[in-house]
This record gives sequence, C-alpha cells and structure tokens, in this order.
Amino acid sequence: EDKVVQSPLSLVVHEGDTVTLNCSYEVTNFRSLLWYKQEKKAPTFLFMLTSSGIEKKSGRLSSILDKKELFSILNITATQTGDSAVYLCGEETSGSRLTFGEGTQLTVNP
Amino acid sequence: GAVVSQHPSRVICKSGTSVKIECRSLDFQATTMFWYRQFPKQSLMLMATSNEGSKATYEQGVEKDKFLINHASLTLSTLTVTSAHPEDSSFYICSARDYRGLGATQYFGPGTRLLVL
Repeated sequence: EDKVVQSPLSLVVHEGDTVTLNCSYEVTNFRSLLWYKQEKKAPTFLFMLTSSGIEKKSGRLSSILDKKELFSILNITATQTGDSAVYLCGEETSGSRLTFGEGTQLTVNP
Repeated sequence: GAVVSQHPSRVICKSGTSVKIECRSLDFQATTMFWYRQFPKQSLMLMATSNEGSKATYEQGVEKDKFLINHASLTLSTLTVTSAHPEDSSFYICSARDYRGLGATQYFGPGTRLLVL
C-alpha cells in the first residue's frame, strides 16, 4: 500500500513568514503528486506535479517534485492569515486512486 | 477549475435508517468518481472508486453492502449508507477526475456531514 508522509504535522508562523511544507511518498504505479488546501470544508486544488524539477507557481504558492528522492515541497511566501488551513499532499497512482498524507495544519498569526 | 457538487451538505438521521448522498459533476463528464471519508482531525481516506456503468471498487476494510454506490450516469454518483449507526458519523467527500485540458485533475465536492444519532 502506498504511503504518504507529510511534515511537519503542525506549524505556527507570523504573517509575512515563508513556510515550506514537505511530502514524501512511496512509489508504486506513480502517476502524479497533488497538493490541496482544506479549510472548513472539502479540499481545494492547488497543484498537480508529474515531472521532476519543474516548479509550479500560483501567486505566493509554489511547489516542486523530486521523483528521484520521492518527495515534494510546497512553499508559501509572505504568509497571510488567510493561508491558515490544512495542506494535504496526495499521491495519485494508476486507476486515479489518491492516497493522502495526514496533512500539515498551518496557522498564520497576525 | 471544474465544479463538483454534493447533496445534502448536512444530514442528521436516526440509527438504523439509510442515507443517500449525491455527487454531481456540473460542467464535465466523469466516468470515474471517488468517495472519501474524513473523521475529525484526520486525513481523507478513500472508500471506493465509482465507475460509470459498472460495479464500484471498494478499498480494503470498506463494506460494500453497507456503503452502496451507484454511478448511473456520467455526471452522477450516489453513496447510500445503509442501516447507519453512530460510528458512521463522519464527513463524506466525493471527487471526480476532469480529463479536459493538459492535466487531468481530481476536484472535490463540498462534502456531506453525516450525524447518526
């Protein structure tokens, strides 16, 4: 069974700080690595990564995948209180099955 | 991004009753949808893969007779929790894969919070 491990599990920062969230995975029939942001309700899509070394950016968020070392990072620069959420990393395997990590609870204080 | 809806958003029922949750892809067709369950402070756990026109594929440990899945059309999958018990109380979320565009991505519905009394 594929296993996805996220770290840290919890992170508290001040507004303006930069954070890096980590995700490692075990590969069996790897298809893609996805990042989601979950606030009160269901997760919202952030990034899908399939190739190593290609950074994806969306505003202050960026993410990159290393398929050799089997990990991905999600960076958030100049954090805001609205970034407070659980960030989920999921490994998609063949058949489109998604296995999620435990998530990182990010709290951004004013 | 693509839009996935769920109905109802919240349901409270008595123990022993059955509850049906609908998942719809609003602006795209989805041959495959997924059902997840999330307990408080925990991550999403895949329950089953719903395939249009064929039987669902259940994850290990998920009772197929208790969680009935029907994927009758390309835009609708339903999950019925039969004879619900308090331990079935959870947040149920569906997702659908949108194959349009360069990257096929899974989008989640808003979730259904089930409370069984």
